[in-house]
Amino acid sequence: GIQVEQSPPDLILQEGANSTLRCNFSDSVNNLQWFHQNPWGQLINLFYIPSGTKQNGRLSATTVATERYSLLYISSSQTTDSGVYFCAGRRSNDYKLSFGAGTTVTVRA
Amino acid sequence: SQTIHQWPATLVQPVGSPLSLECTVEGTSNPNLYWYRQAAGRGLQLLFYSVGIGQISSEVPQNLSASRPQDRQFILSSKKLLLSDSGFYLCAWSLTGSSPLHFGNGTRLTVT
Repeated sequence: GIQVEQSPPDLILQEGANSTLRCNFSDSVNNLQWFHQNPWGQLINLFYIPSGTKQNGRLSATTVATERYSLLYISSSQTTDSGVYFCAGRRSNDYKLSFGAGTTVTVRA
Repeated sequence: SQTIHQWPATLVQPVGSPLSLECTVEGTSNPNLYWYRQAAGRGLQLLFYSVGIGQISSEVPQNLSASRPQDRQFILSSKKLLLSDSGFYLCAWSLTGSSPLHFGNGTRLTVT
């Protein structure tokens, strides 16, 4: 599988703040996903974004495939945004979705 | 729509005991199926994946095994658990090798 680096490893935000999470890949991917793991361990799909930009409410993501990175934007953060955010990627003809180590986000009221 | 069921949600087992975790997918046929493990405070590690009945690929050699007895059923097993098998086990599915992965709610296993 590919190597996935996420930054920062930890992020503490005040409610209402904006933030950007980054994900770098060691190789080109044709499948890139962002997940949010809530305090109960559930992995929630946020975006399937091998390229381009998508938005879903206060969250948006951009993937620049040619430069092998993706960004996740959180705007007007809320306490419910707390948790671990993972990005994961997969090369074409590879069944393995490789995960980064995650970014732990804590939003304080 | 497709749904994935995984059980049990939590499990406490003594060292040396057997293990069987089950995962089923509804609403699709011939999905790709995966078992991932997450150690405490860490990322996800792929253990097994399957592209069809009876077809299992192992990513990490260990005392765990997987089976796919039916199209939408994926089972993770062990004959004798080790302390190091403790962790959070997640089953996942995708329609194809390049489509999004969807996870079940996971099983938290504690080996004592």
